[in-house]
Amino acid sequence: AQSVTQPDIHITVSEGASLELRCNYSYGATPYLFWYVQSPGQGLQLLLKYFSGDTLVQGIKGFEAEFKRSQSSFNLRKPSVHWSDAAEYFCAVVTFTGGGNKLTFGTGTQLKVEL
Amino acid sequence: ETGVTQTPRHLVMGMTNKKSLKCEQHLGHNAMYWYKQSAKKPLELMFVYNFKEQTENNSVPSRFSPECPNSSHLFLHLHTLQPEDSALYLCASSQVAPTSTDTQYFGPGTRLTVL
Repeated sequence: AQSVTQPDIHITVSEGASLELRCNYSYGATPYLFWYVQSPGQGLQLLLKYFSGDTLVQGIKGFEAEFKRSQSSFNLRKPSVHWSDAAEYFCAVVTFTGGGNKLTFGTGTQLKVEL
Repeated sequence: ETGVTQTPRHLVMGMTNKKSLKCEQHLGHNAMYWYKQSAKKPLELMFVYNFKEQTENNSVPSRFSPECPNSSHLFLHLHTLQPEDSALYLCASSQVAPTSTDTQYFGPGTRLTVL
């Protein structure tokens, strides 16, 4: 079955530093991948998505992610983190089932930004 | 209002109470979803509705009863809940349910506490 692993439960970075959040997926064919962000008390907001084509995907708020088939990864990056980026980040993959397709989420990475 | 809204934002109920969660989407979508988000666990898909018809029930206990009167509204009726049902309940919508390249948009969630 398709699955998503986010190896880092918590990450702390200094404001202005670069950021990389890891996501590994398990799927035999070309996956459809998403990154969502959840601020405290809020729902999930879509940052970016990858379906096909260019393996470097640009999203909102200055985030980007790179799909690497050889590593089964879809890591999220940002060159310079802002204090407002502190939130929880979720990677997700479309899972294909007999009843249709659905999103399978990782357990999330909590990002803390130090001023 | 725009996007996906959920009411109430917070709910505290006893195990013998009956309550309902409401979700409304203003995006013109045809598919709606209920997810459960518990601490330290991935988001769990509960139900999917496509054009008002339920297309997925992810082995959810019968004490959770969904209702979708039209494509814009989704309810989750709760009765005889257990303390382990305490969680953040998220509603989402998408254009159609769910296709490979469809994107789900989430509401802010209802924080449920069962005493």
